[in-house]
Amino acid sequence: AQSVTQPDIHITVSEGASLELRCNYSYGATPYLFWYVQSPGQGLQLLLKYFSGDTLVQGIKGFEAEFKRSQSSFNLRKPSVHWSDAAEYFCAVGPLSGSARQLTFGSGTQLTVLP
Amino acid sequence: GAGVSQSPSNKVTEKGKDVELRCDPISGHTALYWYRQSLGQGLEFLIYFQGNSAPDKSGLPSDRFSAERTGGSVSTLTIQRTQQEDSAVYLCASSRTGSNTEAFFGQGTRLTVV
Repeated sequence: AQSVTQPDIHITVSEGASLELRCNYSYGATPYLFWYVQSPGQGLQLLLKYFSGDTLVQGIKGFEAEFKRSQSSFNLRKPSVHWSDAAEYFCAVGPLSGSARQLTFGSGTQLTVLP
Repeated sequence: GAGVSQSPSNKVTEKGKDVELRCDPISGHTALYWYRQSLGQGLEFLIYFQGNSAPDKSGLPSDRFSAERTGGSVSTLTIQRTQQEDSAVYLCASSRTGSNTEAFFGQGTRLTVV
């Protein structure tokens, strides 16, 4: 069965500092990979996704993620964090084929940004 | 509509009562998903609808949970005889097809069972 691990429950960074959120997945083949962000009281917004091709993916709000097959990782990065980035971040995987289409989510990483 | 709409946004119910949660997907989206987000947990898949196909109910936690999708659009998630452990945020998402195109999420319904 597929699974997603986000090892950091909570991360605190100062505004302007760089950010990396970790995501490791377990899957039999290369899955679809996603990062979502959830602000308090809001639904999830897609930041970026990886299906195939270039392993460095650019997303919205200045975020990027790199797919590393050898490490089964899809870490999210941002070179300079803004106070508005404070939110919860979820990594998710989805199947490339088959009847199942639902995403499997990690347990999330809560990001706090210090002024 | 412009986005996925869920109602109500908040629901407080007494243990043992039935509740219905509604989801209006984005117009034209054929795929619809329900997820549950419990405090401190990730999102747990509940059920998936794709067009006129039989729904994938593999994530429903018990037979107290059911969902339907009428006319390929609006979906209702029903929880019968609610228990305190059902307290969570229930999120609905829709996508243009079921082939892992971007899923758009609603703001969720926060269910509290007292």
